[in-house]
Amino acid sequence: GQQLNQSPQSMFIQEGEDVSMNCTSSSIFNTWLWYKQDPGEGPVLLIALYKAGELTSNGRLTAQFGITRKDSFLNISASIPSDVGIYFCAGRTGGFKTIFGAGTRLFVKA
Amino acid sequence: EAQVTQNPRYLITVTGKKLTVTCSQNMNHEYMSWYRQDPGLGLRQIYYSMNVEVTDKGDVPEGYKVSRKEKRNFPLILESPSPNQTSLYFCASSLLWSDSYEQYFGPGTRLTVT
Repeated sequence: GQQLNQSPQSMFIQEGEDVSMNCTSSSIFNTWLWYKQDPGEGPVLLIALYKAGELTSNGRLTAQFGITRKDSFLNISASIPSDVGIYFCAGRTGGFKTIFGAGTRLFVKA
Repeated sequence: EAQVTQNPRYLITVTGKKLTVTCSQNMNHEYMSWYRQDPGLGLRQIYYSMNVEVTDKGDVPEGYKVSRKEKRNFPLILESPSPNQTSLYFCASSLLWSDSYEQYFGPGTRLTVT
C-alpha cells in the first residue's frame, strides 16, 4: 500500500535552534498535513497544504507541498521547550484515505 | 465545547472476548475515522466513514468492524480480539467538503489484549 517515509525519526536540539523534518512518498497526494501529538493526547493539526508548491506558515512553523506532490517538509524556527512532542506528516488521497508517516520525535533542551 | 469523545480510555481484555470502543462527536461532521498507533509505525487508518451508512476500509481493516447508524457515532468493534490488536486507538472526525481538512482527534483508547 501507500507509504510515507518520514525523517528523521528523532531529533535532540537546543532551545533556539531551527528544526527541519520531511516526508517523502512514491505516491502522489492531493493534500499534505502536518500534526503534532503531545504525550497522552491525540494529534492536533498544525498546517494543511492543498496545492503543489504551496508554502504556508503558522507562527514559527513553515511547511511546503512539494512540486512533484510526493513530498513535504516542515520547519520550526527558534524552537522552545513546548515544541517537544511527536510530529506527523500525513497525505490525503482523493478518495479520502489518510496515510500517516511514522513520526519525528522532537526533544528540546532548555 | 467541540470535541470527540471515546470510551473506554483504557481496556484490558482477553483473547476472543468481543468488545466495542465507542466514538462520538458533537460537531455535525460527516467524516469519521479510526486509527491505531503503534511504536515506530505512526497512525494507521483502520476504517473511515463519509456519512451515515457509508463506510470504507483503511489500510489495516482486518479483525475490525465499524458501523455508522447515526452521524455523531462511529463505534469500533473487535469481534474476536487477539494480542496483535493491543494498541492505542484514536477516533477522528472532520467536515467532508471544506476548505480545511482539519481532523479532530479523540483522547485515545489504550487496549491490551492478553
